Amino acid sequence: IAGITQAPTSQILAAGRRMTLRCTQDMRHNAMYWYRQDLGLGLRLIHYSNTAGTTGKGEVPDGYSVSRANTDDFPLTLASAVPSQTSVYFCASSDSSGGGYNEQFFGPGTRLTVL
Amino acid sequence: GQNIDQPTEMTATEGAIVQINCTYQTSGFNGLFWYQQHAGEAPTFLSYNVLDGLEEKGRFSSFLSRSKGYSYLLLKELQMKDSASYLCAVRDSNYQLIWGAGTKLIIKP
Repeated sequence: IAGITQAPTSQILAAGRRMTLRCTQDMRHNAMYWYRQDLGLGLRLIHYSNTAGTTGKGEVPDGYSVSRANTDDFPLTLASAVPSQTSVYFCASSDSSGGGYNEQFFGPGTRLTVL
Repeated sequence: GQNIDQPTEMTATEGAIVQINCTYQTSGFNGLFWYQQHAGEAPTFLSYNVLDGLEEKGRFSSFLSRSKGYSYLLLKELQMKDSASYLCAVRDSNYQLIWGAGTKLIIKP
């Protein structure tokens, strides 16, 4: 693995179903993020984690949950999917432990359609 | 509230220069980022400004004026592969990124 991977690449889901989007990074970054990207809108932060064992709510957390059991993995769960959760989901990570820009690196995204 | 404004779409000619503007109003400021995003792909980091002035990186330059809440991304010697969306993002007082909706840049031969 090099960088950040996400799975699945795309998914069509019936409303009311539970779904977990997976995200794994191998850069040993301490911080990880989940965004959704919708046409005409900027990336919106769903949840974030500054370090393993901690998580926080972003701008649009309702209907989503996350966990950060270790440094590498940051799954996003939709407990009961609704059509408004149709979007492209990006996972990102950054190294905020030292100096530098602390820019975020993005995974390839998951395209989710809820019917 | 927090707000990042960028033009929705711009068109330019191959070989020319284009300037993409970004204005922001955020709760705190801890740096401004520009990302490039090709259609169907993930955003990739282009530049970072935290102090006023111009940062140059090859064909791309980024400018920041904190007093005006303003930045621009300058792309020189445009190539067809520069056709993409360009995203402006500001890191706020909570060290979270606030994103603009992006500017779709169309390059014509």
